[in-house]
Amino acid sequence: GQNIDQPTEMTATEGAIVQINCTYQTSGFNGLFWYQQHAGEAPTFLSYNVLDGLEEKGRFSSFLSRSKGYSYLLLKELQMKDSASYLCAVTDSNYQLIWGAGTKLIIKP
Amino acid sequence: TAGITQAPTSQILAAGRSMTLRCTQDMRHNAMYWYRQDLGLGLRLIHYSNTAGTTGKGEVPDGYSVSRANTDDFPLTLASAVPSQTSVYFCASSEDARDTQYFGPGTRLTVL
Repeated sequence: GQNIDQPTEMTATEGAIVQINCTYQTSGFNGLFWYQQHAGEAPTFLSYNVLDGLEEKGRFSSFLSRSKGYSYLLLKELQMKDSASYLCAVTDSNYQLIWGAGTKLIIKP
Repeated sequence: TAGITQAPTSQILAAGRSMTLRCTQDMRHNAMYWYRQDLGLGLRLIHYSNTAGTTGKGEVPDGYSVSRANTDDFPLTLASAVPSQTSVYFCASSEDARDTQYFGPGTRLTVL
């Protein structure tokens, strides 16, 4: 079967750095997405990785290792507004998105 | 640009009743999707449409039907609602099936 694993919840301090991991087992791989979802709102696109390596976008970076079936989202200089759920999703061989359950990130002052 | 709109925002529905959730996008995207999101579970695909006039079944299609008469609209119909269909429903669209998906604000449905 297809499976995406992420930690259920993480806590970090304002101004610090946090890394949210995602491991996947899917039938084929055509890219990995990270989305942010604030409570009661829709998911919004953060990043996309299809090749191995690090993609940096401001305070957020996303890393991919296809051989390990592994990705992480790195958030730097955490702000209170970063409190949200972070969803990892993988595009399989049929180009359908398989979603993880999400990681709820709690930021403390 | 409105992007994707969904209606209603929320609804309480008696079991056995039918209901249509509406979704409209103004980005001229070819592909559209319906997901449900339940606590502790990832987004689950109900139905999708890669282009106007075509639809396909996702992971959890039972009890739901869709149509795609034109590019902009992708309604989701529950023919006879059951309590297990209580969920938050998100519509999404992408330029093509392989592209980044963009989400509507969601419909919170409670079936009693």
